[in-house]
Amino acid sequence: KAGVTQTPRYLIKTRGQQVTLSCSPISGHRSVSWYQQTPGQGLQFLFEYFSETQRNKGNFPGRFSGRQFSNSRSEMNVSTLELGDSALYLCASSKGQGGADTQYFGPGTRLTVL
Amino acid sequence: EDQVTQSPEALRLQEGESSSLNCSYTVSGLRGLFWYRQDPGKGPEFLFTLYSAGEEKEKERLKATLTKKESFLHITAPKPEDSATYLCAVYLTGGSGGSNYKLTFGKGTLLTVNP
Repeated sequence: KAGVTQTPRYLIKTRGQQVTLSCSPISGHRSVSWYQQTPGQGLQFLFEYFSETQRNKGNFPGRFSGRQFSNSRSEMNVSTLELGDSALYLCASSKGQGGADTQYFGPGTRLTVL
Repeated sequence: EDQVTQSPEALRLQEGESSSLNCSYTVSGLRGLFWYRQDPGKGPEFLFTLYSAGEEKEKERLKATLTKKESFLHITAPKPEDSATYLCAVYLTGGSGGSNYKLTFGKGTLLTVNP
């Protein structure tokens, strides 16, 4: 069974631009969660989507948004990029809505903001 | 306050030198504790899920155990290829008394195994 895939793998943007990242979950998984990973803060939860609805959200500004499609694929958007948004963005999928299920991670998208 | 703490931050071992990593948590109502391995520049790779105190799981040279307050990842006779960052995570409530849960990670333990 194919794992979680993320595209693109690497991105370089400049301050003020916006970016869209894509995530395809494992087949049959309906929940997708997004995380930001930086050396200083570690892995931090951004939001979770289940059945096209945002079910949970972390403590990030409104510049960070996402959506989920009917095939469970998800996109994350960051508008008005700041230098501090440089990070590894990870998505993870699980069978059910967050609460006890194991989450399986994709390889991540490395975003660099110049 | 609910939180997840891992220790040590970094651990350097010689090949064959067994040791343990610690993950302590404070959460009301554990809904699962997860261990992941992460190599540089890659996504976390799932290792184990533990749900109740006393539970143990093994995979090759790794063994995870769980008590009511902490989990240990025991590494027996490690090899250089075991070098990675090991992360633990638990589900915490989403806040505001909501029933939604979010997977919350510790900062990880960077393990280096020298040949």
